[in-house]
Amino acid sequence: DSGVTQTPKHLITATGQRVTLRCSPRSGDLSVYWYQQSLDQGLQFLIQYYNGEERAKGNILERFSAQQFPDLHSELNLSSLELGDSALYFCASSVATGSPLHFGNGTRLTVT
Amino acid sequence: GESVGLHLPTLSVQEGDNSIINCAYSNSASDYFIWYKQESGKGPQFIIDIRSNMDKRQGQRVTVLLNKTVKHLSLQIAATQPGDSAVYFCAEVGTGGGNKLTFGTGTQLKVEL
Repeated sequence: DSGVTQTPKHLITATGQRVTLRCSPRSGDLSVYWYQQSLDQGLQFLIQYYNGEERAKGNILERFSAQQFPDLHSELNLSSLELGDSALYFCASSVATGSPLHFGNGTRLTVT
Repeated sequence: GESVGLHLPTLSVQEGDNSIINCAYSNSASDYFIWYKQESGKGPQFIIDIRSNMDKRQGQRVTVLLNKTVKHLSLQIAATQPGDSAVYFCAEVGTGGGNKLTFGTGTQLKVEL
């Protein structure tokens, strides 16, 4: 168990809808990262937060947004969903820059 | 752009043999590398890491080798067990702020009994 908790484990929704994925980092970790894993793209970095502030941005679509709250949990919001957004979404946390990321078990999103 | 790639998409080994999984990276400025193991239905699990000021690091049954001259990383697993069957990813931490990992495409390790 990595100590990173993600909810829900599975999510099925229709195109055009909006969903929110939730992540609780390991105790003591200030950084939270979001990754998308699809069959044809592998693990793609979306965004990183550190202690509530955005730290780095990757290939995150404008339809997607995230935030990290004062209690350090994070939410990833996906809107105007398309079929191609179906993927596994992973959250990871780390204690500091230069330390390993620890991943949760992901949320499997299926857009129908 | 930056990229990290793996030479072999699938590796099959006999139980008890040693496994070697290779990875090439393109960003010569990267200074931190991590190997992850991902089992079906689970998130990537940290195995071992290495910084660019080292060329070898050993863990329990695993060794990571870093060759900065040719930008090559390898993961050696000793006495491979059925529980080692998984997809293995190398990842590099690039420069430019944050702690962003760039992952390779992954190698599927299959352990045959």
